[in-house]
Amino acid sequence: DIQMTQSPSSVSASVGDRVNMTCRASQDINNWLGWHQQKPGKAPKLLIYAASSLQSGVSSRFSGSGSGTDFTLTISSLQPEDVATYYCQQAETFPATFGQGTRVEIK
Amino acid sequence: EVYLVESGGGLVQPGGSLRLSCEGSGFTFSSNYMHWIRQAPGKGLVWVSRINSLGSGTIYADSVKGRFTISRDNANNRVYLQMNSLRAEDTAVYYCARESARSYHIDYWGQGTLVTVSS
Repeated sequence: DIQMTQSPSSVSASVGDRVNMTCRASQDINNWLGWHQQKPGKAPKLLIYAASSLQSGVSSRFSGSGSGTDFTLTISSLQPEDVATYYCQQAETFPATFGQGTRVEIK
Repeated sequence: EVYLVESGGGLVQPGGSLRLSCEGSGFTFSSNYMHWIRQAPGKGLVWVSRINSLGSGTIYADSVKGRFTISRDNANNRVYLQMNSLRAEDTAVYYCARESARSYHIDYWGQGTLVTVSS
């Protein structure tokens, strides 16, 4: 199985800050990478697919980059409604696997 | 707008069975592959199973293979997860999710249904 490793496990930042989080795959997944946001007590929501494509209706504050094994999700200007856990997920092969998540909090 | 609504969760004893259902609306259900993904309390997301658009192809996580069966009824816009021989470690919120027919990524999630396996 492909292992997905996210870092950091948690980040605390101020409103308006730029926040970066990374996801590393244990083998080359090309750009078969999605980012999902899960707010407390809610279902996940897709933010980014194919590593860098913004899902329809998602704020342009979110952007994704990377290819191969290393990927980044960036929140350009952190807002209170962005408090959530963010999961990367590889869609290159089965079983689909998720990272362990990065929790984002407001300082 | 795409909606996915799960039902069928509840409390079941170890070794018991449960059938989850997920109804889709707001899209052409028969055009999309569908997934089940679970999340144990306080833990991360774990993929469980996927079924193709016709229902003729299925795939499972090793942890549920031989115990769980995914199926679908395109006439009624539903996907199911039959869970047998349930164990305590199957306790989780179970989400159904749609796979985009364009990007092949999971793009919409249901709200989830809680399954608790306990005596």
